[in-house]
Amino acid sequence: QSVLTQPPSASGTPGQRVTISCSGSSSNIETNTVNWYHQLPGTPPKLLIYSNNERPSGVPDRFSGSKSGTSASLAISGLQSEDEADYYCAAWDDSLNGWVFGGGTKLTVL
Amino acid sequence: EVQLVESGGGLVQPGGSLRLSCAASGFTFSSYGMNWVRQAPGKGLEWISYISDSSTTIYYTDSVKGRFTISRDNAKNSLYLQMNSLRAEDTAVYYCARGGTVDYWGQGTLVTVSS
Repeated sequence: QSVLTQPPSASGTPGQRVTISCSGSSSNIETNTVNWYHQLPGTPPKLLIYSNNERPSGVPDRFSGSKSGTSASLAISGLQSEDEADYYCAAWDDSLNGWVFGGGTKLTVL
Repeated sequence: EVQLVESGGGLVQPGGSLRLSCAASGFTFSSYGMNWVRQAPGKGLEWISYISDSSTTIYYTDSVKGRFTISRDNAKNSLYLQMNSLRAEDTAVYYCARGGTVDYWGQGTLVTVSS
């Protein structure tokens, strides 16, 4: 069981906006910044969002992150077929002294 | 371009040992902490260890404490993971990932623990 809680699946149609939630606690999300990754089958995770809402160079502005209290969310606007992937949230946990991940959300583009 | 290349994975019997390596290039390795993260087949991501830039700070997840040892050689731009007393549940793809931000990841190396 993952320390951070994500819905196992999400879906949307091309052009839609979808959000993926990530719930944590006072020792991780509330006090530390959140990263989001996406992962295609057979490939390593790729950083999508860091520091709650910052995008690395090359990540489209269709992807945005937010955080409030012990929860965070990833929003994807203008959904495209290539967005179909697994998405993970992550944060440092001060109690565990380590990174904790969500269980992952499989995004399907209908 | 940042590159991280893992090696050393393979098939090992329960109770056996393996040493994973991660060769880094494209950035100043000695300025970054490094992590090992694993992913069991069909499962999610699990962070297992962190080492600071100068090796003064090291953390492990509970499930590997006392069995795995993280280390680095800044002169060789390399990160290592010594894995002892391996169990079936350690079967996973092992990734090295850069820094306190965990921004760049290698392609991973598969470790299979089975008799």
